[in-house]
Amino acid sequence: DAKTTQPPSMDCAEGRAANLPCNHSTISGNEYVYWYRQIHSQGPQYIIHGLKNNETNEMASLIITEDRKSSTLILPHATLRDTAVYYCIHGKMKTSYDKVIFGPGTSLSVIP
Amino acid sequence: DAGVIQSPRHEVTEMGQEVTLRCKPISGHDYLFWYRQTMMRGLELLIYFNNNVPIDDSGMPEDRFSAKMPNASFSTLKIQPSEPRDSAVYFCASVPPDTDTQYFGPGTRLTVL
Repeated sequence: DAKTTQPPSMDCAEGRAANLPCNHSTISGNEYVYWYRQIHSQGPQYIIHGLKNNETNEMASLIITEDRKSSTLILPHATLRDTAVYYCIHGKMKTSYDKVIFGPGTSLSVIP
Repeated sequence: DAGVIQSPRHEVTEMGQEVTLRCKPISGHDYLFWYRQTMMRGLELLIYFNNNVPIDDSGMPEDRFSAKMPNASFSTLKIQPSEPRDSAVYFCASVPPDTDTQYFGPGTRLTVL
């Protein structure tokens, strides 16, 4: 199974950058890393994904280490609305979604 | 686009009753997933479909659970008979053909008394 390791919780001051790490040491060469977040009482929401290059979109940036065994999600200017649980996952997806595991994630609290 | 639609949003039932949860995926998506989320076990994949065909149901807890996808725009998850330990939030998600990005619905909160 494609397991990841994330810190259970983090705090971030409003307006500052939030850097959320993820360890995915079992990742294989053709697997993407995906990040989702879940705001309380809502369904998980896609944030960003990447293979080996750093990626940026309107929500966040994703930094993947050269060996691809870990990554960091960066929210450049965290707001109170970014308070959520953040999940990092990886896997072969369409060939074996059953091996993709959503772990407990990181509960990010953005503090005023 | 309306996104993934789930109904009902909340369901309260008594032990032993049949429960049916419904999902309408995003039009054009070819994968559909059913997940269950509890505080103890987190987000668990129950079953997923590709082009209306069940691909893997190894996450379905037991025979009391069944899922169907009669067409590309509708799926159901049925629990019969329901038990208190089935209380959870059930999410449906769909994936378009050209990516692996899952689009989740708002969930159905099920309470079995």
